[in-house]
Amino acid sequence: QSVLTQPPSASGAPGQRVTISCSGSSSNIGTNTVNWYQRLPGAAPTVLIYSINQRPSGVPDRFSGSKSGTSASLAISGLQSEDEADYYCASWDDNLHAQVFGGGTKVTVL
Amino acid sequence: QVQLQESGPGLAKPSQTLSLACTVSGDSINSGRHYWSWIRQPAGKGLEWIGRVYKSGKTYYNPSLNSRAAISVDTSKNQFSLRLISVTAADTGIYYCARESYVSAAGSNWFDPWGQGTLVTVSS
Repeated sequence: QSVLTQPPSASGAPGQRVTISCSGSSSNIGTNTVNWYQRLPGAAPTVLIYSINQRPSGVPDRFSGSKSGTSASLAISGLQSEDEADYYCASWDDNLHAQVFGGGTKVTVL
Repeated sequence: QVQLQESGPGLAKPSQTLSLACTVSGDSINSGRHYWSWIRQPAGKGLEWIGRVYKSGKTYYNPSLNSRAAISVDTSKNQFSLRLISVTAADTGIYYCARESYVSAAGSNWFDPWGQGTLVTVSS
């Protein structure tokens, strides 16, 4: 059981917009920043979004992050076939004194 | 280009110690600009942060590991290592090492890049 809650799956047709939610609590998302990681099939995770809404260089602006209260979201606009991957949210938890992750959301491009 | 590579035995026996190393290339642990972390994904479960080490050897661990983990650094080899004692089948999974960036003022930290990961199986 992961500390942060994500839907197990999400899907969309090419070109559509997909949003992935990440639900936490006042001790993690409610107080701290959120990061998002992408794990392509057979590859190591890479950071997609850090500090809620910052994109590392090389990450397309189709990917965006936001936070409201104790929840965060990752939006993928203009969905492409290469976006098929697992996506994980993460935040620091002040009560657990640890970095915590969501269970991951598998995105399928229809 | 910064790269991290995990190495170590892929099999450990129950109650024994799991030992892994992470070799860093393209960056220097001794620069002090980053922490260096271990993360794992137990079989059938989500990602779990194990802990981090700084160039000085200062460490911080996830309390959920109940003091079973020990992370050390060898700046001369640009390498950091993980030892996990008293392993059980629940410790089976993929182990990743990662560079951890942080912005203290913003209370923000993130992992980038990650190693490819190494599968460790705990079985007799």
